[in-house]
Amino acid sequence: GAVVSQHPSWVICKSGTSVKIECRSLDFQATTMFWYRQFPKQSLMLMATSNEGSKATYEQGVEKDKFLINHASLTLSTLTVTSAHPEDSSFYICSARPGLATSSTDTQYFGPGTRLTVL
Amino acid sequence: AQTVTQSQPEMSVQEAETVTLSCTYDTSENNYYLFWYKQPPSRQMILVIRQEAYKQQNATENRFSVNFQKAAKSFSLKISDSQLGDTAMYFCALRWGAQKLVFGQGTRLTINP
Repeated sequence: GAVVSQHPSWVICKSGTSVKIECRSLDFQATTMFWYRQFPKQSLMLMATSNEGSKATYEQGVEKDKFLINHASLTLSTLTVTSAHPEDSSFYICSARPGLATSSTDTQYFGPGTRLTVL
Repeated sequence: AQTVTQSQPEMSVQEAETVTLSCTYDTSENNYYLFWYKQPPSRQMILVIRQEAYKQQNATENRFSVNFQKAAKSFSLKISDSQLGDTAMYFCALRWGAQKLVFGQGTRLTINP
């Protein structure tokens, strides 16, 4: 159990285009999902917290107009990188936490990640 | 602010040896959770072990165990009888309340045959 999928696993796009990445919890409902960015040989940096049915909460320094997050259902969150540029090239990872939004005991489960390359 | 520090960027041991990865953290919260995650070359993050701060007993999961020293804010991971499949990046992480995870910088562990 507790499987999280991401689609696509990798994507190459041209500068100026938009790219959508999907994160799905396959066997549980996730009121909260998280989006991370990971540069090569570095740690995961949280970009935003996505709560079902409400606006995402972005970390300091993350442009919310550039990284659009939608969490329309309890099993799906999407990250759209708008007007992508080469510096947006990175590995994007989502995670999902089962249970109530107020629960403090549930573990986060991670998706396999999406490698984005912007030419 | 909550911080997590892993002071060992890389470690390397022979297969079947025991290895300990270090992690220190800082938080002003009383209730929090500590985790070790493994990221193999596939880059899939895998939960290795978790520890609730209110529990004094150290968590164990088969060959993996932790040494949780709350007063010292230390949370080390011990891998016994290491296997080639243990080769990966290991991240220590802290979470408080229902909030986000904060990760350490990671330790790249290589198990040599």
